[in-house]
Amino acid sequence: GAVVSQHPSWVICKSGTSVKIECRSLDFQATTMFWYRQFPKQSLMLMATSNEGSKATYEQGVEKDKFLINHASLTLSTLTVTSAHPEDSSFYICSARDLRQSSNQPQHFGDGTRLSIL
Amino acid sequence: AQSVAQPEDQVNVAEGNPLTVKCTYSVSGNPYLFWYVQYPNRGLQFLLKYITGDNLVKGSYGFEAEFNKSQTSFHLKKPSALVSDSALYFCAVRDIGAGNMLTFGGGTRLMVKP
Repeated sequence: GAVVSQHPSWVICKSGTSVKIECRSLDFQATTMFWYRQFPKQSLMLMATSNEGSKATYEQGVEKDKFLINHASLTLSTLTVTSAHPEDSSFYICSARDLRQSSNQPQHFGDGTRLSIL
Repeated sequence: AQSVAQPEDQVNVAEGNPLTVKCTYSVSGNPYLFWYVQYPNRGLQFLLKYITGDNLVKGSYGFEAEFNKSQTSFHLKKPSALVSDSALYFCAVRDIGAGNMLTFGGGTRLMVKP
């Protein structure tokens, strides 16, 4: 089945550090990937839609200069949390959909990245 | 705008008993409906989907869901719960006419006790 690999799975760093999270589709290509944020015991909130070769589309209230998204190839999207602060601590999850499949097919999710800012 | 409601934060059931996790949705057009399961510190795993056709959809691990258009519901069910089914379950909807956006419900924690 389709696999989405997300790296790192857990990162702890000091306030002010920039952190890059990678999302890779291992056995399929994806023109579109999605980045979600999940707070403890809450649902997923879509942050942005990552489009290969073009600018990401950010949801209302998400700072694009804070959360930099790059989708340079059909198998890789990256989310960089710039100058991270404790309030950025959260669980970040990416997903992707196989471009060969129609829009009624499910998205495939990575295992998430737990970001802890001290 | 599309939305999903999961009215129960937690569902408790004894092992071997049937389980139901409720989901209702609101879309302007026809919906694509999905159920996902999340284990601790993991991403979401796809369970099943409704696109069109039979209202009763069968998915992974013995789960099934019934699409009810008049009640705008898509409840998740399993005839006999296992302790290993304990996890966080999310219902999601995509409005066919609304592009790629997938909207999730708030999640329901399922606790199956031995």
